[in-house]
Amino acid sequence: DAGITQSPRYKITETGRQVTLMCHQTWSHSYMFWYRQDLGHGLRLIYYSAAADITDKGEVPDGYVVSRSKTENFPLTLESATRSQTSVYFCATEQGDSPLHFGNGTRLTVT
Amino acid sequence: ELKVEQNPLFLSMQEGKNYTIYCNYSTTSDRLYWYRQDPGKSLESLFVLLSNGAVKQEGRLMASLDTKARLSTLHITAAVHDLSATYFCAVDPYDKIIFGKGTRLHILP
Repeated sequence: DAGITQSPRYKITETGRQVTLMCHQTWSHSYMFWYRQDLGHGLRLIYYSAAADITDKGEVPDGYVVSRSKTENFPLTLESATRSQTSVYFCATEQGDSPLHFGNGTRLTVT
Repeated sequence: ELKVEQNPLFLSMQEGKNYTIYCNYSTTSDRLYWYRQDPGKSLESLFVLLSNGAVKQEGRLMASLDTKARLSTLHITAAVHDLSATYFCAVDPYDKIIFGKGTRLHILP
């Protein structure tokens, strides 16, 4: 099916572990975004990408790494997870004047 | 630093009443978005406003944009319980898309 897929839906990891959240789209949209959602903060932009091999920092990039070797994939890696990174993570795509299309989110718990 | 401020952050209202949610932003933006989020769900697009004076309506919701004032409003007419959700505005300066903190709307029967 066409769309945007995030995996896993739920993840529990320990402090200090590396974890990667996956985001895959089937539309070939140019722009992709990663947000985290925390109560009281709304959605905060972590990283975004305008095209393959082009990425840039958002509002809260510290502790995260992204890559975009192919247009359709935009993984987000927490190199050494901390409890403060417990959150719901949303991936989104955008093309032209269309609105953002969001994935279903990944709920990450760091213990 | 770009700021996107929504107010109120929480709104409890009676069915049948009208109300407006405000979204102020601190820098020039080509586009303004409104989204809805139900508890435990992803975000759903409501409106994309592309120019000064743009007005869009869908059912009981109407959004408008004043780029000179850097202000957008989301007006709710004759609220019904099904409109209970969290509403976010977002702006699009320099390719980033930055969200406000959201307005949690609770409509009482």
